[in-house]
Amino acid sequence: ELKVEQNPLFLSMQEGKNYTIYCNYSTTSDRLYWYRQDPGKSLESLFVLLSNGAVKQEGRLMASLDTKARLSTLHITAAVHDLSATYFCAVGPGSGNTGKLIFGQGTTLQVKP
Amino acid sequence: GAVVSQHPSWVICKSGTSVKIECRSLDFQATTMFWYRQFPKQSLMLMATSNEGSKATYEQGVEKDKFLINHASLTLSTLTVTSAHPEDSSFYICSASSRGVRYGYTFGSGTRLTVV
Repeated sequence: ELKVEQNPLFLSMQEGKNYTIYCNYSTTSDRLYWYRQDPGKSLESLFVLLSNGAVKQEGRLMASLDTKARLSTLHITAAVHDLSATYFCAVGPGSGNTGKLIFGQGTTLQVKP
Repeated sequence: GAVVSQHPSWVICKSGTSVKIECRSLDFQATTMFWYRQFPKQSLMLMATSNEGSKATYEQGVEKDKFLINHASLTLSTLTVTSAHPEDSSFYICSASSRGVRYGYTFGSGTRLTVV
C-alpha cells in the first residue's frame, strides 16, 4: 500500500525566512504533485515532477524530486504572508496520468509578518 | 487550460434526504473522474474512481450504496449522497484526468455539504 508522509504538518515562520517541506513516499512512482489549498477552497496545482532530479521553480517556491530516496521537497524562499496556506504532495502509484493520487497529510504554513 | 466545473459549491440538507453533486469537464473529455472527501484540517481521502461508461471502483470502507457515482459521459460525473446523515457533512472534491491533459489532474472547486 502506497503511503505518503509529509513533515512538518504545521509550520509557523516569519516573513523573509526560508524553509523546506518534505514529502516521503513508500513505493516507486513516476509522478509527484504539489498542490496548494486555501481555507474553504479546492486545490491549486503548483508543480508536477516526473523524473529523478527534476526541479521546478515558481516565484518563491521550488520543488525537487529524488526518486531513489522516494523524497520530494518544497522549498520556500523569503516567505511572504501570501504563501500562508496548506500544501499537499500527492503521488501516483501507476504510470501515465489516469491512475489515482494518494495525498500526504498536508502541511499548514503560517507566515507571520 | 482544463477546467472542471463543480456544483453546487455548498448545500445544506436535512437528515435522510439525498444530495447530488455534479462535476463537468468544460474543455476536455474526462476519461477518469476521482471523488474525494475532506474533513476539516485533514487531507483528501479518495472515495472512488470512475471511468466513463463503467461502474465506479470504490475505496475500502466507502459504502457504494450510500455514495452513488455516475459517469455516463466523458464530460459529466455525479456523486449522490443518499440518505444523508450529519456524519456525511464534509467537503467533497472531484478531480478529472484525461490522456489529453498531459500528466495533469484538474480539480473541481469543491462542494461543502452540511447535513442537519
